[in-house]
Amino acid sequence: DVKVTQSSRYLVKRTGEKVFLECVQDMDHENMFWYRQDPGLGLRLIYFSYDVKMKEKGDIPEGYSVSREKKERFSLILESASTNQTSMYLCASHELSSGNTIYFGEGSWLTVV
Amino acid sequence: GENVEQHPSTLSVQEGDSAVIKCTYSDSASNYFPWYKQELGKGPQLIIDIRSNVGEKKDQRIAVTLNKTAKHFSLHITETQPEDSAVYFCAASRDGGSQGNLIFGKGTKLSVKP
Repeated sequence: DVKVTQSSRYLVKRTGEKVFLECVQDMDHENMFWYRQDPGLGLRLIYFSYDVKMKEKGDIPEGYSVSREKKERFSLILESASTNQTSMYLCASHELSSGNTIYFGEGSWLTVV
Repeated sequence: GENVEQHPSTLSVQEGDSAVIKCTYSDSASNYFPWYKQELGKGPQLIIDIRSNVGEKKDQRIAVTLNKTAKHFSLHITETQPEDSAVYFCAASRDGGSQGNLIFGKGTKLSVKP
């Protein structure tokens, strides 16, 4: 089974702190995604990457950046955390040759105080 | 821009009844429509999907229908059970559908009462 691992399940950070959310997938997938999930707003795409060193903005990239130095790892970075970034963050991976399924991690709950 | 509308936002049914969730999409180029189930404290998991060249697909108690002309698709769950209680998301593909880039609906919280 594909495994997408988000190393931090629950984090509490202070306003202005730099925050790293790490995601690792073990199936050699080319495509990786970061979503944000908020009640009543569903899943919104922050950034995605179709290859190492490649990144593309999603629908809500403001206040975020990403890093993909290795194929299996896709990191979401909040340069200066703000309270409106309190949310659940979901990482996902995909490879067409593995079927068209998107595989999600368990999520990282971030609270910014 | 691209959009997926999902209704209802909450749905409560008695065990054994059927549940139907409906979605509409705006991008005519969308050709892949998955449904995800998210249980409390977990990430979403694919339960069924359908491609634009198929009108209906069934997997045991779950079925999905697609009307490409009207740009809407629906999830049907028959003989609901308490373990079906979860949040369900529909999605539609972007970028030709081969790269996994999806736009999601806002979700439906389904409660199945024993």
